[in-house]
Amino acid sequence: AQSVTQLGSHVSVSEGALVLLRCNYSSSVPPYLFWYVQYPNQGLQLLLKYTTGATLVKGINGFEAEFKKSETSFHLTKPSAHMSDAAEYFCAVSDLDMRFGAGTRLTVKP
Amino acid sequence: KAGVTQTPRYLIKTRGQQVTLSCSPISGHRSVSWYQQTPGQGLQFLFEYFSETQRNKGNFPGRFSGRQFSNSRSEMNVSTLELGDSALYLCASSLRAGGDGYTFGSGTRLTVV
Repeated sequence: AQSVTQLGSHVSVSEGALVLLRCNYSSSVPPYLFWYVQYPNQGLQLLLKYTTGATLVKGINGFEAEFKKSETSFHLTKPSAHMSDAAEYFCAVSDLDMRFGAGTRLTVKP
Repeated sequence: KAGVTQTPRYLIKTRGQQVTLSCSPISGHRSVSWYQQTPGQGLQFLFEYFSETQRNKGNFPGRFSGRQFSNSRSEMNVSTLELGDSALYLCASSLRAGGDGYTFGSGTRLTVV
C-alpha cells in the first residue's frame, strides 16, 4: 500500500525566506503525488500535482515541487515566503485511493 | 462552477445517537471520498464511492457507513456515536476513481458530547 511521510510537523520561516516542506513516499506503482494546503476551518485546496511527464511541477501561489524517483521524494518549495502562506500543508499519494501525510504546519514570521 | 458542498457545517450530537452527513460533488464528478480529520490521527480515509458503488474502504468500524446516489451525491452515516468520533469530516470529489486530484468541501465539524 502507498504511504507518505512528511518530515517536520512544524516549519517556521521568516517572510521572504525560502520555504521547503519535505515529503517522501512509498508506492508499489508509479505514483500520482499531490500537495494540498489547508487554512483554519476549511477544506483542503490543491496546490499542485504530479502524474506523469515533467518532474518539476509548478502550482498555485508560487509553489513548486520536484518529483525525484531515485529519492522517492516530492518536496514542496517556494522561493519567498509570504505571511499569507501560513497554513497546514499535506502531501498525498494516490494509486487505489489517496493517502495523506500527517501534515506540516508552516508559520511565517514578519 | 459550484464546488463541493457539505452539509451541515457544524453539528453537535450526544453519545449513542446517530448522524448523517451529506456531500454534493462538483457537477460531472462521479467519485466521492470521505475523510476523517482529527488533531491526533490526521486525515484518515473512510471510503470512496464511484458510480454508486463503494470502491474502497478504510480501516473504520462498521458504525461508519456511506452511500452514493445516482446523481453522485453521497451521504455518510455514523451510528452509536462515541466521543472519539468528534472530528472534521471532509468530502472530496473527482472525475475519476482513485484520486486524480480531489476537490474538497469545507467539511462538517461534528462534536459528540
